[in-house]
Amino acid sequence: AQTVTQSQPEMSVQEAETVTLSCTYDTSESDYYLFWYKQPPSRQMILVIRQEAYKQQNATENRFSVNFQKAAKSFSLKISDSQLGDAAMYFCAYRTLNFGNEKLTFGTGTRLTIIP
Amino acid sequence: GAGVSQSPRYKVAKRGQDVALRCDPISGHVSLFWYQQALGQGPEFLTYFQNEAQLDKSGLPSDRFFAERPEGSVSTLKIQRTQQEDSAVYLCASSLASGTPWGFQETQYFGPGTRLLVL
Repeated sequence: AQTVTQSQPEMSVQEAETVTLSCTYDTSESDYYLFWYKQPPSRQMILVIRQEAYKQQNATENRFSVNFQKAAKSFSLKISDSQLGDAAMYFCAYRTLNFGNEKLTFGTGTRLTIIP
Repeated sequence: GAGVSQSPRYKVAKRGQDVALRCDPISGHVSLFWYQQALGQGPEFLTYFQNEAQLDKSGLPSDRFFAERPEGSVSTLKIQRTQQEDSAVYLCASSLASGTPWGFQETQYFGPGTRLLVL
């Protein structure tokens, strides 16, 4: 079974600075998807960024980018120019490519605080 | 368009009561998922539908939990004889398709959740 580990329960960053959230995972599969989801206090989970394991290029979405190290099974999220609205719980998630096994496996999350 | 909606948003139940939680997925989405999120934890998978077929129910914690999606759109998660350990936020998610070459269709979109408190 796949597992996802987020070793930083809490992180804080000054507004406008850059912060990196860590995620490692364990799998025996060669192809899969990885995701970062954001969950603000209102609790609606929002997709931040996704990465297909077969793509070598790291995904980017505006101020959000990932550092995907497949051999190390590491998938960190970098948030540049942090804004107050970035404050939330961030969850790393894994999904197999296997048809019929569509579930997401989540880590325990990292609470990100933005310091004005 | 409208996102995933869930009702009720909050539910308080006495131990032993039955509850039913509803999920309205995004129109046209084939896949529907239920997750349970305990306080301070990440969501944990409960069950998954593709259209009306329940393809995976391996995450349901006991036979008191039952889910259905009879017409392939709205889904209901039912918990019988609720226990205090059932207290959690229940999240529903839907995705456009699965098993396709187009990765973006695999993205799961989440609803706001139903917070269940069992007293």
